[in-house]
Amino acid sequence: NAGVMQNPRHLVRRRGQEARLRCSPMKGHSHVYWYRQLPEEGLKFMVYLQKENIIDESGMPKERFSAEFPKEGPSILRIQQVVRGDSAAYFCASSPDRGVGNTIYFGEGSWLTVV
Amino acid sequence: TQLLEQSPQFLSIQEGENLTVYCNSSSVFSSLQWYRQEPGEGPVLLVTVVTGGEVKKLKRLTFQFGDARKDSSLHITAAQPGDTGLYLCAGMGRAGANNLFFGTGTRLTVIP
Repeated sequence: NAGVMQNPRHLVRRRGQEARLRCSPMKGHSHVYWYRQLPEEGLKFMVYLQKENIIDESGMPKERFSAEFPKEGPSILRIQQVVRGDSAAYFCASSPDRGVGNTIYFGEGSWLTVV
Repeated sequence: TQLLEQSPQFLSIQEGENLTVYCNSSSVFSSLQWYRQEPGEGPVLLVTVVTGGEVKKLKRLTFQFGDARKDSSLHITAAQPGDTGLYLCAGMGRAGANNLFFGTGTRLTVIP
């Protein structure tokens, strides 16, 4: 059973370009989460999605960032007009359901470097 | 935001020694998870604890959830170099909540 799959693992973008990060959840998981880990900082929640719905985007920056989880295909985290401060590791996670004791599994991350 | 403070932040010990890592908060969590993260990789789940006072064992690792569900500890017996890594605790704010609040992390180095 494959784990949470993220690609690309590493991405370099120039300032002003767009970055697209993809995430395929574990088989049977319908809940997807995106977290960001800035250098020397802890993981911070960004957004929680179910198929075709954004459930909680309270951790998303107000501008330039968007996320989707279409009916078919992977979840996409999109960052428009990237700036140096966007350089970070972006982790996708998935879970089978919500509720007490719900276990969340993480992918290996996508490392974005903005030059 | 529900803050989780981990201590110590850094720990360097000799192979064979025992150690305890603490995860504390003033907030109550419906569940708490411990992860280990290697450089350049994602967090790998070690355990989930749900009930106040719960103790779970994973080989040489013992995890405890505080009675009030505000704190947790991870105890490693006879540490080995393979235990080296970043240990993270993460709490789920309430039943049915959809995001984890991560602790500040404890970076463990076990010297052979």
